[in-house]
Amino acid sequence: AQTVTQSQPEMSVQEAETVTLSCTYDTSESDYYLFWYKQPPSRQMILVIRQEAYKQQNATENRFSVNFQKAAKSFSLKISDSQLGDAAMYFCAYRSVMSGTYKYIFGTGTRLKVLA
Amino acid sequence: DGGITQSPKYLFRKEGQNVTLSCEQNLNHDAMYWYRQDPGQGLRLIYYSQIVNDFQKGDIAEGYSVSREKKESFPLTVTSAQKNPTAFYLCASSLIQGRNSPLHFGNGTRLTVT
Repeated sequence: AQTVTQSQPEMSVQEAETVTLSCTYDTSESDYYLFWYKQPPSRQMILVIRQEAYKQQNATENRFSVNFQKAAKSFSLKISDSQLGDAAMYFCAYRSVMSGTYKYIFGTGTRLKVLA
Repeated sequence: DGGITQSPKYLFRKEGQNVTLSCEQNLNHDAMYWYRQDPGQGLRLIYYSQIVNDFQKGDIAEGYSVSREKKESFPLTVTSAQKNPTAFYLCASSLIQGRNSPLHFGNGTRLTVT
């Protein structure tokens, strides 16, 4: 079974600085998708960025980018020019596409604090 | 606007009572999911359904039941057999055909059982 691990329960970053959140996963599949979700205090889950495993190019969405290392099974999220509104819980998620079962598996999350 | 509606936002029940959480979507998504969120444990999958009249257990299905009689609806019943039902519950949906389809979430229901 696939697992997702986020080893940093909490991170802090100074406003305007850069921070990287870690995510590793375990799978025997070669084709899958990875996602980062943000959960602000409102508890609404917001998609931040997604990555297809068959694409070598790292995904980028404005100030958010990923470092996808398929061999290492690592999928870290980099937030550049951090803003106060980035403060939230961040969840890494894995979606299988090969088994015909479209489950999304989440890590335990990283709480990001942004310091003014 | 299309989206997922969970109701109610807050729900209070006495121990020993069954309670049903509502989830409706108008995104025409094939798959629907229920997750439970507890502090420090992330989102854990309770049940999911990829087609009407069919559903599968997730990692923590014990004490829960679901139905999928319509594509738009996926209610979750928390039974009295669930030993620790107080939690935040999130419903989500996704396309199946879209290979990189992300999950779309409702706003959640906070269930408190005393």
